[in-house]
Amino acid sequence: KQEVTQIPAALSVPEGENLVLNCSFTDSAIYNLQWFRQDPGKGLTSLLLIQSSQREQTSGRLNASLDKSSGRSTLYIAASQPGDSATYLCAGDNNAGNMLTFGGGTRLMVKP
Amino acid sequence: GAVVSQHPSWVICKSGTSVKIECRSLDFQATTMFWYRQFPKQSLMLMATSNEGSKATYEQGVEKDKFLINHASLTLSTLTVTSAHPEDSSFYICSATARQGVRTDTQYFGPGTRLTVL
Repeated sequence: KQEVTQIPAALSVPEGENLVLNCSFTDSAIYNLQWFRQDPGKGLTSLLLIQSSQREQTSGRLNASLDKSSGRSTLYIAASQPGDSATYLCAGDNNAGNMLTFGGGTRLMVKP
Repeated sequence: GAVVSQHPSWVICKSGTSVKIECRSLDFQATTMFWYRQFPKQSLMLMATSNEGSKATYEQGVEKDKFLINHASLTLSTLTVTSAHPEDSSFYICSATARQGVRTDTQYFGPGTRLTVL
């Protein structure tokens, strides 16, 4: 059974810093790996989706990478802003569109 | 495209009553719908998977008689929490995968429903 772990659980940084959020998974037979953002009391916003054949995706200041052999994914946020403060969740599935297994999330606080 | 809605967005009910939550895919037909539960400061946990016209598949530890799922059409799934108790208070989120028209290899998430049982 797939298990997804996110480190750190919480992170506080000053505005402008570049930061890396980590996600590890136990089953390398992962298909899609997604990163989501969740604001307090809100639903999920999909940030980046890395498909099975891909190794990374970029969107604006965000870059996510996937290394199946090591069971890791990272989310890189460049030049962090207070508006980036949220919980970031990674999740993987073992087949396209199949059930997602979520990590515990990283609560990010970017201080002005 | 690929919008999923949930209704209601929040609900407060008395202990012992039943609550129905709707999940709709607004602009696509959903092959499969998923129901997740999220307790405060915790991550999402899958409760069940449902396909249109067939019985839902529940995850281990989720009581199927308590959490009734009906997936009557390709655009609507409902979750009914029967005889709700305070420990059922949680954030319930649904998602759907599309048959065609939009990406079929990912799940599209609804905005969630906050249930508070008094």
